[in-house]
Amino acid sequence: DAGVTQSPTHLIKTRGQQVTLRCSPKSGHDTVSWYQQALGQGPQFIFQYYEEEERQRGNFPDRFSGHQFPNYSSELNVNALLLGDSALYLCASSLNPQRQYNEQFFGPGTRLTVL
Amino acid sequence: AQSVTQPDIHITVSEGASLELRCNYSYGATPYLFWYVQSPGQGLQLLLKYFSGDTLVQGIKGFEAEFKRSQSSFNLRKPSVHWSDAAEYFCAVGARGGYQKVTFGTGTKLQVIP
Repeated sequence: DAGVTQSPTHLIKTRGQQVTLRCSPKSGHDTVSWYQQALGQGPQFIFQYYEEEERQRGNFPDRFSGHQFPNYSSELNVNALLLGDSALYLCASSLNPQRQYNEQFFGPGTRLTVL
Repeated sequence: AQSVTQPDIHITVSEGASLELRCNYSYGATPYLFWYVQSPGQGLQLLLKYFSGDTLVQGIKGFEAEFKRSQSSFNLRKPSVHWSDAAEYFCAVGARGGYQKVTFGTGTKLQVIP
């Protein structure tokens, strides 16, 4: 049973560019959350997708957007990249959060470097 | 708004010694509480969680944590540390109800010396 997978593993972009990160949830999971982890910091919640809709959002600008597909996989898009967007981006999957609290399983992350 | 404080940025312990990592949270009611571990280049692995009931919770790898409502704390403990425990540890709080959002602390980096 594959866990949460993310692609790519590493990415280098320049300021002003746009980036798309991808996440496939653990088998059987239908909810995907995205987190940004800057160097030396804890993960910060970006947003959560369930039933192809953004259900909750953290304190991130509109440059950060996402999508969830019918197969529950998800993309995180970041436009107009800034140097400060350099971070490890973590995807976590879980079951429908409204039923009861379900453990989030994290992927290995995508390391984004903005030059 | 929920928040988590981990006052120790870096801790060094000798192999075989006991360990306690501190965590204080802020939340209006009884929260969900978690401890995660992250090894270099890896994602986060859940060590243990508190939802309700017994305030002393057991986790994987011999870790335990105690929820103390009066102190708003959820400290992580291990009686005897192994070299493989060297990693970064994150305490997190989750809101109850609705679409739960998890808030992480800034982490404590554990170094284990022989």
